[in-house]
Formats: sequence, structure tokens, C-alpha cells
Amino acid sequence: ELKVEQNPLFLSMQEGKNYTIYCNYSTTSDRLYWYRQDPGKSLESLFVLLSNGAVKQEGRLMASLDTKARLSTLHITAAVHDLSATYFCAVDTLNRDDKIIFGKGTRLHILP
Amino acid sequence: GAVVSQHPSRVICKSGTSVKIECRSLDFQATTMFWYRQFPKKSLMLMATSNEGSKATYEQGVEKDKFLINHASLTLSTLTVTSAHPEDSSFYICSARTSGSFLMGLSYEQYFGPGTRLTVT
Repeated sequence: ELKVEQNPLFLSMQEGKNYTIYCNYSTTSDRLYWYRQDPGKSLESLFVLLSNGAVKQEGRLMASLDTKARLSTLHITAAVHDLSATYFCAVDTLNRDDKIIFGKGTRLHILP
Repeated sequence: GAVVSQHPSRVICKSGTSVKIECRSLDFQATTMFWYRQFPKKSLMLMATSNEGSKATYEQGVEKDKFLINHASLTLSTLTVTSAHPEDSSFYICSARTSGSFLMGLSYEQYFGPGTRLTVT
């Protein structure tokens, strides 16, 4: 059974600081996703990572994937208050049973 | 970009009634749609996977007779919560996956709808 674990589950940080959210998954995967969710809203797609060593960056967020370690990271650089949200990683099992399995999410609170 | 809509965005119903939620892919064809529910401050829980023209595949623990899913066309899937109870109150989110070949450069990414907040009184 595919399991996806994120840590930390809650993160409170000061503006201007850097931090990393980790996402481990238990079996081989086809794709890894990062999403953002604001309170009361649906999911916003941030990144799709397809292969080992993939790195994608958008603004202050950078995601990477190590398929050998079954690990993805979401790095936040010089955090700003607008990045406060819940971040989910999810793993795709397209070639096996066509599902996306989500981690529990990381609630990020950035203090002004 | 690919857009998925849900209707209604918010619904309040009385216990014992049924509620239908629609999920539409607006500018692409979706052979597969997924239904999730999310409790406050929790992750998304996959309820079922529906493929156009066939029966939905439900996750373990999800009552198929209570949560009826119909994927009538390549752009529409519906979730009907039958005989709703207060514990069915939740945020329901659908997603749609594009059809097509990865080798053709088409994405297999899921596109999420805006969600439907169901409150059963």
C-alpha cells in the first residue's frame, strides 16, 4: 500500500527565513505533485515532478525529487506572509491503480 | 489552462434528503474523474474513481449505496449523497484527469474543482 508522509505537519516561521517541507513515499511512483490550499478553498497545483533529480522553481518555492530515496522537498526561500497556507504533496500511481495519494499536509504559518 | 467546475459551491440540506454535486471539465475531456472529501484541517480522502461509461471504483470504507457516482460523459461526473446525515457534512472536491498519451506531451495531471461544502442539518 502506497503511503505518503509529510513533515512537519505544522510550521510557524518568521518572514524572511528559509525552510523545507519533506515528503516521503513508500513505493515507486510515477509522478509527484505539490499543491497549495488556502482555508476554505480547493487545491492549487504548484509543481509536478516526473523524474529523478527533477527540480522546479516558482518564485520563492522550489521543489525537488529524489526517486531513489523516495523523497521530495519543497523549499521556501525568504518566506513572506502570503505563503501562509497548507501544502500537500501527493503521489501518483497511474500505472498501477490510477490514483493520487495525498500526504497529511503541512500547515504553514508565516509571521509578519 | 484546464478548468474544472463544481456545482453547487455550497449546499445546506436536511437529514434524510439527497444532494447531487456536479463536476464538469470545461475545456478538456476527462476519461477519469476522482471524488474526494476533506474534513476540517485534514487531508483529502479519496472516495472513488470514476471512468466515463463504467461503474465507479470505491475506496475501502466508502459506502457505494450512499455515495452514488455517475460519470455520464467525458465532461461530467456527479456525486449524489443519499439520505444525508450530519456526519456527511464535509468539503467535497472533484478532480479530472485529461485523456491522451504522455508520449504525446499531454499531461496526466489532475485538475481540481473548487469544491462543494455540504452541511447537513
